Amino acid sequence: GAGVSQSPRYKVAKRGQDVALRCDPISGHVSLFWYQQALGQGPEFLTYFQNEAQLDKSGLPSDRFFAERPEGSVSTLKIQRTQQEDSAVYLCASSRFGTGRTYEQYFGPGTRLTVT
Amino acid sequence: GIQVEQSPPDLILQEGANSTLRCNFSDSVNNLQWFHQNPWGQLINLFYIPSGTKQNGRLSATTVATERYSLLYISSSQTTDSGVYFCAVETQGGSEKLVFGKGTKLTVNP
Repeated sequence: GAGVSQSPRYKVAKRGQDVALRCDPISGHVSLFWYQQALGQGPEFLTYFQNEAQLDKSGLPSDRFFAERPEGSVSTLKIQRTQQEDSAVYLCASSRFGTGRTYEQYFGPGTRLTVT
Repeated sequence: GIQVEQSPPDLILQEGANSTLRCNFSDSVNNLQWFHQNPWGQLINLFYIPSGTKQNGRLSATTVATERYSLLYISSSQTTDSGVYFCAVETQGGSEKLVFGKGTKLTVNP
């Protein structure tokens, strides 16, 4: 079936603008994750949803970052008043979920955000 | 938090050579995955391997959970194997988030 999709693939924002990044997980996947990848680094966790519930947002770097998944499917990561340090690739991943075990995560192609 | 260390950071091979990439982690894990990030940035799942050994074509992986390390073997390397290889782990008792190492950048020359 279809994989994880993200849009837009590229976004250029002027410092101070708000941006919204979209993620469509694999159909039927309960768990959804957002990661941030700076140039030359591994991805770093931002936030995690199980269905529509945001269970972990410990990785969000500031209160300018906000994520939602209102119907337990599509998710949006919003960054308000963008700063240059927000420039990175934002990756979305999804996985199945089962009580007592974990499943592998599948990643989308990412959104490359450049703040000028 | 858990530390994930990958070695070597960079590796340059001639086509046809074999290689071993290592991932050490500092705590017990529920899940370990190996990914290949291609030049376009897509993370491609290679193995889901919290323990044991798996093989897929020219690639194989072994995780020794009790000793907190995993190895990725690439045999008869091809230029299309170039890219960055990441190891990522999910810790026990936490959310399902993955903690990534810094990756091994592999360059395979023709």
